[in-house]
Amino acid sequence: KQEVTQIPAALSVPEGENLVLNCSFTDSAIYNLQWFRQDPGKGLTSLLLIQSSQREQTSGRLNASLDKSSGRSTLYIAASQPGDSATYLCAVNSAGNMLTFGGGTRLMVKP
Amino acid sequence: DVKVTQSSRYLVKRTGEKVFLECVQDMDHENMFWYRQDPGLGLRLIYFSYDVKMKEKGDIPEGYSVSREKKERFSLILESASTNQTSMYLCASSSPPGAYGYTFGSGTRLTVV
Repeated sequence: KQEVTQIPAALSVPEGENLVLNCSFTDSAIYNLQWFRQDPGKGLTSLLLIQSSQREQTSGRLNASLDKSSGRSTLYIAASQPGDSATYLCAVNSAGNMLTFGGGTRLMVKP
Repeated sequence: DVKVTQSSRYLVKRTGEKVFLECVQDMDHENMFWYRQDPGLGLRLIYFSYDVKMKEKGDIPEGYSVSREKKERFSLILESASTNQTSMYLCASSSPPGAYGYTFGSGTRLTVV
């Protein structure tokens, strides 16, 4: 059974810092991995999707990497801003097109 | 962009009521999903559907049923609402794995009193 772990569970940083959020998974037989953002009381917004054959994806200040063989992904946020404050969820798509979610990293960026 | 629309952002219902949560997607996706999200428990899969008229139980189907009469619409039904079904409900859709990933709706916050 796929298990997904995110570290750290919470993070508080001053504005402007570069951040790394970590995600690890136990079964490397995946279709893809998706990073989501969730604001309090809202739905999930997809940030980046990395296919199993890819090593990284970039969107603006966000960069996600995937090392399938070691079961790891990282989300890099450059020059963090207070508007980046949210919960970030990593989700792995494996057998049967089913998502397995990590517990999330709650990020606060202080002005 | 794919859109997944949940009909209500907030609902308040009484114990014992039959509750319908509606979800519509506009990208002809075969797969649709219903999750609930609770503090400390994360997202848990209630039901999913791979095609019209098809439904499969997820991890926590007890107390819920679903309906998928049309490809674009997936309804979650609480047959007799209870207070322990107070939660955030999230609908999602996807194409078969996995060029485009999952797209989620904006969520329905249901309170059962």
